[in-house]
Amino acid sequence: SAVISQKPSRDICQRGTSLTIQCQVDSQVTMMFWYRQQPGQSLTLIATANQGSEATYESGFVIDKFPISRPNLTFSTLTVSNMSPEDSSIYLCSGSAQVRNEQFFGPGTRLTVL
Amino acid sequence: AQRVTQPEKLLSVFKGAPVELKCNYSYSGSPELFWYVQYSRQRLQLLLRHISRESIKGFTADLNKGETSFHLKKPFAQEEDSAMYYCALNNYGQNFVFGPGTRLSVLP
Repeated sequence: SAVISQKPSRDICQRGTSLTIQCQVDSQVTMMFWYRQQPGQSLTLIATANQGSEATYESGFVIDKFPISRPNLTFSTLTVSNMSPEDSSIYLCSGSAQVRNEQFFGPGTRLTVL
Repeated sequence: AQRVTQPEKLLSVFKGAPVELKCNYSYSGSPELFWYVQYSRQRLQLLLRHISRESIKGFTADLNKGETSFHLKKPFAQEEDSAMYYCALNNYGQNFVFGPGTRLSVLP
C-alpha cells in the first residue's frame, strides 16, 4: 500500500489569488490523480498527473485554471488559479501502483474561497 | 460513456439489520468494480474489489453483469459501519469513475 500526504490540509483564500497543493507519496506509484469533491457531492476527476510531461485533463478542466506538475514518481502539485468562490471544495490526491489497481487517497485539502 | 449510479443518498438501518447499498453501472466492456468507504474524519479507503471476491468487515459484493450491478451487502449492520460509501468503476486503465455515494447510518 501507499501512504499519501497532502498540504495544506485546509486554507481560506481571497478571490483572484492562487493556491498550490502538494501531494507526497511514500512509495513509487505509476499513476497519480487529482480529484475535486464539492460539498455533498461525489469525486470528480480533474486530471491524471504524468511524470515529466503535461497532465491529462478531464472534460471541463483546463491547464490554465489547474496547472499540475509531477517532477518525479512520488510528488505532484495542483494549483488552483485565479480562484473564485465556486472553487471552494475538497481537493484530493490519489495514487496507484498499477493502472488497474486500487487507488490510495490523501487526506484532502479543504479550500474555502471568500 | 461510463457511469456509476447509487440511487440512495442516505440509507438508515437499525443495528443488527441487513443492509444493501445499491450500485449500477453502465459500461460496454468488462470493468473492474470497487467499493470505497469514508468514515467520519478519515480519508477515503478501499473496502473491497470484485476480483478479490472476499468479505471485508462482513461486507460482500457480487458483480452481476446481466444487471450491471455491484450491490454491497452485509447481513448484520453495526454502528461502526456508519460512513459514506462510494461505488467506483475502473475502465481498463483509463481512470476511475465514482458514483455519487450513499451515506449509511446505522441506528442503535
